[in-house]
Amino acid sequence: QSVLTQPPSVSAAPGQKVTISCSGSSSNIGNNYVSWYQQLPGTAPKLLIYDNNKRPSGIPDRFSGSKSGTSATLGITGLQTGDEADYYCGTWDSSLSAGLVFGGGTKLTVL
Amino acid sequence: EVQLVESGGGLVQPGGSLRLSCAASGFTFSSYEMNWVRQAPGKGLEWVSYISSSGSTIYYADSVKGRFTISRDNAKNSLYLQMNSLRAEDTAVYYCARGAVNFDYWGQGTLVTVSS
Repeated sequence: QSVLTQPPSVSAAPGQKVTISCSGSSSNIGNNYVSWYQQLPGTAPKLLIYDNNKRPSGIPDRFSGSKSGTSATLGITGLQTGDEADYYCGTWDSSLSAGLVFGGGTKLTVL
Repeated sequence: EVQLVESGGGLVQPGGSLRLSCAASGFTFSSYEMNWVRQAPGKGLEWVSYISSSGSTIYYADSVKGRFTISRDNAKNSLYLQMNSLRAEDTAVYYCARGAVNFDYWGQGTLVTVSS
């Protein structure tokens, strides 16, 4: 059971838009920045979004992030078949067992 | 070019020990915080441990506290994870990742299998 809750799967057609939610609490998302990672099959994760809504160099603006209260959202527009991957949110958790926490991951299928 | 290359994984019996290494290049290793993150087969990401740039601050996930030890040698541009009292549930691909809470570079991972 992950500290951050993500839907197990989402799907959409090529060219469409999809959003992936990440729900937490005041000890994590509510008081810390959120990052998002993309993991293509058989590869290491890749940073997509950091500090809630910033994109590292080289990440297209089709990817966006937002945060409100204790939830965060990753948005992907203009879906491509190459976007099929697992997506993870992550943030610091300031509770008694302080540490970084990840969501359980969301499998994106581009139909 | 930033590169992180893990090594040291393999098959180990329950209760055994293993030491993972992560060789860093392409950046000033001593200026960056580092982490270990693992992924069990078919499962999600699990953060394992964090170490500050100087090595003075360390955090562990509850699941490995008391069994794993993170360390670094800035002179050798290397990060380590000493894993003792290994359990079947420690079976995973172990990644080293650069950063404090935003992990901007990851290694390719090294597989640790704990089985008799």
